[in-house]
Amino acid sequence: DAGITQSPRHKVTETGTPVTLRCHQTENHRYMYWYRQDPGHGLRLIHYSYGVKDTDKGEVSDGYSVSRSKTEDFLLTLESATSSQTSVYFCAISDMRWGTSGIVYEQYFGPGTRLTVT
Amino acid sequence: GENVEQHPSTLSVQEGDSAVIKCTYSDSASNYFPWYKQELGKRPQLIIDIRSNVGEKKDQRIAVTLNKTAKHFSLHITETQPEDSAVYFCAVRSGGSNYKLTFGKGTLLTVNP
Repeated sequence: DAGITQSPRHKVTETGTPVTLRCHQTENHRYMYWYRQDPGHGLRLIHYSYGVKDTDKGEVSDGYSVSRSKTEDFLLTLESATSSQTSVYFCAISDMRWGTSGIVYEQYFGPGTRLTVT
Repeated sequence: GENVEQHPSTLSVQEGDSAVIKCTYSDSASNYFPWYKQELGKRPQLIIDIRSNVGEKKDQRIAVTLNKTAKHFSLHITETQPEDSAVYFCAVRSGGSNYKLTFGKGTLLTVNP
């Protein structure tokens, strides 16, 4: 499981409240990602990080912010949660490695966090 | 940005039959094409991948083929079993990004005993 944990695993919160989800990895992976998964939309990238304090936006970043102050932790914050942010959130990691036919960047997912905004 | 389309969205087969899922992409410079399997309530798991300099790759009952000219790639599962039932996602790494994947919307595969 690439040493990835997410917390909390389940959360119910009210509209307008701030929420922070944590992704923790133990294997010193450089790249970390936050996705959301919704029926009919697959996996959509929210934000990603390519190093400590180096982050960038994905395709659905509005309403979300991230921080990475340590290699092992990548935090996703919903500043003011809305019902449209009810979703399953997956953290992922990747690293560069040499495969049999060149460089690959295999990506592995954490167990997910189910967030419900009421 | 990259656009990935995946078909079909649902697929039902009888145990022992083959299943094929196809994805098309838009960026001709894309160079890495993984497939993920997600069982109900679980995380997506990487099951096979292929690079742009390879046309086909096999791993036991699963295989992936890539047609760079037509910009599509396919997942083939032979001798399907009930435990193959899951949602399958294709993904593409565009040529301009070493660390981002764009995912298809998924295919729900049901293998009927």
